Amino acid sequence: AQSVTQLGSHVSVSEGALVLLRCNYSSSVPPYLFWYVQYPNQGLQLLLKYTTGATLVKGINGFEAEFKKSETSFHLTNPSAHMSDAAEYFCAVSEDDYKLSFGAGTTVTVRA
Amino acid sequence: DADVTQTPRNRITKTGKRIMLECSQTKGHDRMYWYRQDPGLGLRLIYYSFDVKDINKGEISDGYSVSRQAQAKFSLSLESAIPNQTALYFCATSGRGHGTSGSVTYNEQFFGPGTRLTVL
Repeated sequence: AQSVTQLGSHVSVSEGALVLLRCNYSSSVPPYLFWYVQYPNQGLQLLLKYTTGATLVKGINGFEAEFKKSETSFHLTNPSAHMSDAAEYFCAVSEDDYKLSFGAGTTVTVRA
Repeated sequence: DADVTQTPRNRITKTGKRIMLECSQTKGHDRMYWYRQDPGLGLRLIYYSFDVKDINKGEISDGYSVSRQAQAKFSLSLESAIPNQTALYFCATSGRGHGTSGSVTYNEQFFGPGTRLTVL
C-alpha cells in the first residue's frame, strides 16, 4: 500500500520567487507519480506526471518535478511564481494504474 | 463544454435524507471514480467502476452506494445522510492512454468541478 506526505499545508511566496512543494511517498513497487492543481471553486487539473523514463518531468505553467527513487520524493518546483499560481496543489501516487492515493494538499499564496 | 460534469454543484440537506449526486462525461472513458475531499485529508476514493458491470469499493465506501447507468454516467447516493458526510465530492474519469514506453495506461484521471454537500 502506498501513502503520500506533503510537507507544509501552506506555502507563501513573493511574486517572482521560487516555489518548492515537497512530496514524499511510500510504495512497495515503482509508482506512477502525479501533481494536480486545484484553483478556487474548480476541480483538479493535472500539472504533470511521471510514469517511466526521464526523472525530470516538465508540466504546464512552468512547473516541473523530479522523481528521486533513492529519496522516495517527487518535489514540485516553479522558478518564478505568478499571482495566477495561487491554488491548492496535490501530490498523488498510483501503484496499480488506476487507484490514486493523494496527499493532504499544500495551499500556495503568492504575495505581490 | 466541460468533459466531466457534476450535478448539483451545491446541495444542502438534512440528516436522514436520501441524496443522489450525478456525474456525466463526454470523454468516452471506460473508468469512472467518486472521491470526497475534506480539509487536511486530500481526496479519498469512495467507489470506482471499470465499466458498466464492474463496480468496486474504495477506501471509504461505508454509507455510500453507486450506480453506473451507462458508460457516460456514474451516480453516487447517500441513503441516509449524516453530518460527517459534509464534504466536497468529485467525480473523475480515466481512459486508455499510452506511457512513454508505449505501454497502455489508465492512470491519468480527469476531474469534474465538484459538488459541495452540506448535511445539517
